[in-house]
Amino acid sequence: KQEVTQIPAALSVPEGENLVLNCSFTDSAIYNLQWFRQDPGKGLTSLLLIQSSQREQTSGRLNASLDKSSGRSTLYIAASQPGDSATYLCAVPRTGANNLFFGTGTRLTVIP
Amino acid sequence: GAVVSQHPSWVICKSGTSVKIECRSLDFQATTMFWYRQFPKQSLMLMATSNEGSKATYEQGVEKDKFLINHASLTLSTLTVTSAHPEDSSFYICSASLAGGPNEQFFGPGTRLTVL
Repeated sequence: KQEVTQIPAALSVPEGENLVLNCSFTDSAIYNLQWFRQDPGKGLTSLLLIQSSQREQTSGRLNASLDKSSGRSTLYIAASQPGDSATYLCAVPRTGANNLFFGTGTRLTVIP
Repeated sequence: GAVVSQHPSWVICKSGTSVKIECRSLDFQATTMFWYRQFPKQSLMLMATSNEGSKATYEQGVEKDKFLINHASLTLSTLTVTSAHPEDSSFYICSASLAGGPNEQFFGPGTRLTVL
């Protein structure tokens, strides 16, 4: 069974710092990986989708990388801002289906 | 594009009552929708897969008679929590992907259920 783990569980950084969030998965037979943002009490906002054939995707200050062979993905946030404070979730599809296995999440706090 | 809505956004009910939550894909057709549940400070866990025109597929440990799912059209799936109890209080989120997947998942804004 696929297991998705995120480290660290929580992270606090001062505004302006660059930071990296980590995601690992046990079954490397995935066809994509998604990073989401969740604000407290809210739904999910999709940030980046990386297909299995890709190594990375970029959107603004966000850059996500994928290394299938090692079962790892990272989300890099450049020049962090207080508005980036949220919980970040990575997720991979279940083999043969479209539903997602979610990681445990990293709760990010950017201090002004 | 690819917007998913949920209604209601929050609901408070008495123990023993039933609550219906709607999930709609507003600008695309979704043959499959997914229902997730999220308890406080935990990640999302899949409850069931909702297939248009057929019975839903439930994950292990999820009671199908308690969580009734109906996917009557390509744009609407409903989750009914029957005889709700306080332990059913949670954040319920649905998602959908464009017909013909595998594809990116689009999530609804969630429904906060509180059972008194």
